[in-house]
Amino acid sequence: GAVVSQHPSWVICKSGTSVKIECRSLDFQATTMFWYRQFPKQSLMLMATSNEGSKATYEQGVEKDKFLINHASLTLSTLTVTSAHPEDSSFYICSAQEAGQGDSYEQYFGPGTRLTVT
Amino acid sequence: DAKTTQPPSMDCAEGRAANLPCNHSTISGNEYVYWYRQIHSQGPQYIIHGLKNNETNEMASLIITEDRKSSTLILPHATLRDTAVYYCIVKSNTGKLIFGQGTTLQVKP
Repeated sequence: GAVVSQHPSWVICKSGTSVKIECRSLDFQATTMFWYRQFPKQSLMLMATSNEGSKATYEQGVEKDKFLINHASLTLSTLTVTSAHPEDSSFYICSAQEAGQGDSYEQYFGPGTRLTVT
Repeated sequence: DAKTTQPPSMDCAEGRAANLPCNHSTISGNEYVYWYRQIHSQGPQYIIHGLKNNETNEMASLIITEDRKSSTLILPHATLRDTAVYYCIVKSNTGKLIFGQGTTLQVKP
């Protein structure tokens, strides 16, 4: 099956610094990638939809200037948490949908990135 | 986006079938039902999806009612490794997967 990777798998950073998380589709091209955030004991919350070559679409309540998304190629999307604070500590997960596939095809999820801001 | 309702938790004996229900009464005619599961601290794993007909793959079966307002995921022979949170999701026309709270399935020996 299709594989999505994330890097790093975990990261610890100091408050005020920025952190970049990469999401890669390893064996397929993804026109669209999605970014989620998950707090402990809670469900996944969709943050934004990332489209290759265009600006990301953010969900209501998600600060686009704080969570910068870049989808520069069909296999890579990045999420940068700018000026991170302890409340940004969370599990960040991406998913990707193969290019050309519509509603009847699954999204493939990455393994997630654990961010801890001290 | 159509909302789904699932019981918060279920238990199942190892080796027995696990039947996980889901209500999606506001589903539209062209929206698919997807099931994913998440084992602790991992990304969600795709299980199965369907539109109208029942579906079966190597992991599970999906039974969708004729009116499409509910569905049931069946794990035919649950193992301890099937312990996870199971999410029933109606995929919107925008392609988004909006996760609810899911059902925590505990498979017991």
